[in-house]
Amino acid sequence: DAGVIQSPRHEVTEMGQEVTLRCKPISGHNSLFWYRQTMMRGLELLIYFNNNVPIDDSGMPEDRFSAKMPNASFSTLKIQPSEPRDSAVYFCASRLGLGGADEQFFGPGTRLTVL
Amino acid sequence: AQKVTQAQTEISVVEKEDVTLDCVYETRDTTYYLFWYKQPPSGELVFLIRRNSFDEQNEISGRYSWNFQKSTSSFNFTITASQVVDSAVYFCVSASGGYNKLIFGAGTRLAVHP
Repeated sequence: DAGVIQSPRHEVTEMGQEVTLRCKPISGHNSLFWYRQTMMRGLELLIYFNNNVPIDDSGMPEDRFSAKMPNASFSTLKIQPSEPRDSAVYFCASRLGLGGADEQFFGPGTRLTVL
Repeated sequence: AQKVTQAQTEISVVEKEDVTLDCVYETRDTTYYLFWYKQPPSGELVFLIRRNSFDEQNEISGRYSWNFQKSTSSFNFTITASQVVDSAVYFCVSASGGYNKLIFGAGTRLAVHP
């Protein structure tokens, strides 16, 4: 079975541009998570969805960040406008259910560089 | 608030040595879960193990073993007879808030040299 799929794997953009990161969770998983990894802050949860509904977006750093999950097999994380401090690796993860102790399966990440 | 501390930033060993990665967690919850994830140089995050707060049994999986001690709030990870392929960053993680929010430690970078 395919794991979590993220695209693009690498993105280089200029400050002020809109950036859209994409994620396809594992089929049948109904919880989806977006994380950001930086040297300074480590891995931090940005937002998570259950059954396509955002449950907790308290980790989203600013209004420039938005996430959507229009259906069970697709989610986007958008940054508009992007800034150099948004440079990081963004991971998407999915899990079978919400709550409980099932592990989260992570995608390969998108390495974002904002110049 | 939950917190995970991995005091060892980097560890360097020679192949075949045993190595233990330390993890100390803080939580006010009576029920919680702990995990270890591995991040190899390729960058992906790989799940290794999950433990719940009611199960203090140690676990062994091949060369990997985990020691969970509630009395000291520790969840240490030992690799026996380390191999070069074990070189990675290892994260100790706790789960709170209905187990949806993963709280990652800062990670321990393990370098295994031939």
